[in-house]
This record gives sequence, C-alpha cells and structure tokens, in this order.
Amino acid sequence: QVQLVESGGDLVKPGGSLRLSCGASGFAFSDYYMTWIRQAPGKGLEWVSYISSSGSTIYYADSVKGRFTISRDNAKNSLYLQLNYLTAEDTAVYYCARATSITIFGINHWYFDLWGRGALVSVSS
Amino acid sequence: SSELTQDPAVSVALGQTVRITCQGDSLRTFYASWYQQKPGQAPVLVIYGKNSRPSGIPDRFSGSSSGNTASLIITGAQAEDEADYYCNSRDTSGNHPLVFGGGTKVTVL
Repeated sequence: QVQLVESGGDLVKPGGSLRLSCGASGFAFSDYYMTWIRQAPGKGLEWVSYISSSGSTIYYADSVKGRFTISRDNAKNSLYLQLNYLTAEDTAVYYCARATSITIFGINHWYFDLWGRGALVSVSS
Repeated sequence: SSELTQDPAVSVALGQTVRITCQGDSLRTFYASWYQQKPGQAPVLVIYGKNSRPSGIPDRFSGSSSGNTASLIITGAQAEDEADYYCNSRDTSGNHPLVFGGGTKVTVL
C-alpha cells in the first residue's frame, strides 16, 4: 500500500524540541524528493522544507530556517524533521508529502502527489 | 512577489461551474498545482502540470493558466466538492523554492 505515516507529534513547552518522523511504504522512497508542510489551526498550508532524493539538496522556509532540520534515511524509508527552539507560532499539523515533478519544455513543475495524515505539534506552557 | 493570491471564498450552485483563481508572478513561468482539503483531512492533489488529473480525480476538475493567473475549474459542482482549495507553485523571487496560496473556501449551495 502506497502511504506516508507521520509520528512524533506532541505537546511541548516554548523553547523545547521535537523530532517528527515519516515512514514511507509501497513506493521507491529513495527516488523521490520529500517535503514537510504545516497547517496552523484554522489557517492555510505553509511549505516548511524539502530534501532531494539523495539528501544533498535542502531548502527551508524563512520562518523555520536555523531552527528546523530535515533529513532522511533511505535505507529505512524514513523522513525526519527536527524542530528546535519551538514557539507558539510553530503549533500546527505537520504533513509529510512526496514531491514529484513534470518537465514541460525544459521546465520542472513540482507537485505533491502523496500526503500523510499529519502529526500535531502543540507548543504551549 | 513571492506570494500566490487566492480569493478567500466562493460559492457555487449545485451543478454549476466555479472558477478558483490563483495569482502570482511565478505563474508566468511555472504551472500551479491544486489541492483539495476537507475538514479534518489531509490535502489531496487534484490538478498538476498544464492540466493533468491524478488517478481517481473526477474529470469535472480542470486547470488552466494565462499570464500570472492559474485557475481551477469545477464544471458541474457536486456537494462533495465543498472544501478548501489551495494552489502551489515555485517561488521565483525568494530563497525558498515553493509557496502556497492562502486558500479558497468553496461552498456548494
């Protein structure tokens, strides 16, 4: 079964840390770029970070740069997000998603074709 | 601009057609992808590329693009299409490569 399953969500205090995991199954995980996307309560989607299939290319949104670290273990079919120095503004459901691209006239157009169900991170004292 | 702008809400009568728009400079170069999200559920990809639908997405969903505007069109809206819809594309102006629109709540009357 092709799926992504997040884990590790929890209630943490401001300034605390957390590690999210995303397990992949049913597809060749090592062939795909992967992303983390979050959604604060009642708000829209916010792209957080992505990592290339080999792990050699990584990008972060400005809102998490320097605090969050994305990584992957292709041998374990797993994606991770280390969240440090958490604030209340980081409270959200965190989704992992598979990123795929289609090339049209030499330009890559990206999209997220497989999503997990999400992991809730709550930051509160 | 690094933003993708969507109308916050639109409504459509059952069986009629609705167009959801997404505006941004990056859309002059990159196609938007579109996601449907129902309450309490993860988003689902409905349109990607020029106008492609993943397997299982009804053909009443289609996409188009012109200039700096991408559109998601629902032809013959059904009650189950009531949801939030988000566009996503590349960000051509900043240091991060991807950006979402703010989302459009579609109400089927």
